[in-house]
Amino acid sequence: DTGVSQDPRHKITKRGQNVTFRCDPISEHNRLYWYRQTLGQGPEFLTYFQNEAQLEKSRLLSDRFSAERPKGSFSTLEIQRTEQGDSAMYLCASSLNQGPLGPDTQYFGPGTRLTVL
Amino acid sequence: GESVGLHLPTLSVQEGDNSIINCAYSNSASDYFIWYKQESGKGPQFIIDIRSNMDKRQGQRVTVLLNKTVKHLSLQIAATQPGDSAVYFCAEKPGYSSASKIIFGSGTRLSIRP
Repeated sequence: DTGVSQDPRHKITKRGQNVTFRCDPISEHNRLYWYRQTLGQGPEFLTYFQNEAQLEKSRLLSDRFSAERPKGSFSTLEIQRTEQGDSAMYLCASSLNQGPLGPDTQYFGPGTRLTVL
Repeated sequence: GESVGLHLPTLSVQEGDNSIINCAYSNSASDYFIWYKQESGKGPQFIIDIRSNMDKRQGQRVTVLLNKTVKHLSLQIAATQPGDSAVYFCAEKPGYSSASKIIFGSGTRLSIRP
């Protein structure tokens, strides 16, 4: 399978604990996006990287959230001091920069479902 | 797009019939539109896309129509099959080729009657 992969698929944690999720994009995709999806709603943008540079962060990304993409390949999303409101599906997507004539089509991974007790 | 929370609009279609899912988008400056299919417990799956300089695009069993005048997008699925059951999201993006966030609309749950 050469699609976007995410690990773990499910995470249950207690309030106040830290969690870290990993995303492996499609090979050679230089853009990587993180979204959050709560039940019954569409995904909401959190942040994105072009290569290793984090270029935009949503206001949803509080100071308890941090994302990295140190080598421009896989990315991690860490949530510190988790709260019950952090319970959601965390989705990763990747795309390939095709220049001005090509679309920035984002392909999503299966997501990591976080439950904070 | 606005979320309808837990009560997603639902479209029920007889197997074999055509399905039409409608969506209103918010930003008249958006240049790129995408339809995603999301099955339970899975991530959104790309179906078809269209750029703002087009009004129709066809794929395999799917057609997307774009009406920029009224900011309306629709997805037509021909000969609907049980495997088409899912939540469908329309999405808009300010830039066609530039790296930018996707803004998802409210989803529509498609259910298939045997």
